[in-house]
Amino acid sequence: DIQLTQSPSFLSASVGDRVTITCRASQGISSYLAWYQQKPGKAPKLLIYAASTLQSGVPSRFSGSGSGTEFTLTISSLQPEDFATYYCQQLNSYPQTFGGGTKVEIK
Amino acid sequence: QVQLQESGPGLVKPSGTLSLTCAVSGGSISSSNWWSWIRQPPGKGLEWIGEIYHSGSTNYNPSLKSRVTISVDKSKNQFSLKLSSVTAADTAVYYCARTGVNVGAFDIWGQGTMVTVSS
Repeated sequence: DIQLTQSPSFLSASVGDRVTITCRASQGISSYLAWYQQKPGKAPKLLIYAASTLQSGVPSRFSGSGSGTEFTLTISSLQPEDFATYYCQQLNSYPQTFGGGTKVEIK
Repeated sequence: QVQLQESGPGLVKPSGTLSLTCAVSGGSISSSNWWSWIRQPPGKGLEWIGEIYHSGSTNYNPSLKSRVTISVDKSKNQFSLKLSSVTAADTAVYYCARTGVNVGAFDIWGQGTMVTVSS
């Protein structure tokens, strides 16, 4: 299985901050990576797919980059509604796997 | 607007079989999408269980493959999950989700259903 390692696992930030989350794959996955946002008690929500394509309806302050084994999710200016847990997911090979998550909390 | 809704027992006895159904509304299960089950133990991360296409083709997570069956009922526009020989480690929120055709990721999710394994 391909392992995805997210860092940091916890992040404390203020409204307006630029936030970057990293996802590293144990082997190359081209651009077959997605990012999700999950709020407590809710299903995950797709933010980005194909490493850098913004899902319809997702604010442009979210962006993704990377290919191969290293990927980043950036929130350009953190908003109150962005405090949540973020997961990466690889779709390059079976079984599809998720990173361990990054919880973004209010400083 | 496609919507997914999970249903099934919230409590299953150890060694029993967990059975859940995901109803698809606002669209057809026979569209060119794969349909998945994903679970999340309390306070933990996400685990992909497996997926099915309307033709009946399936892919399963090897870690669960010996205990999992995913099936589709096109007449009812739904798909189902059966997980046998459950233990407390199978206690989780279970989600169904759609893999978007041009997206290749889970673009639509059900709200999730909590299943507890306990006697």
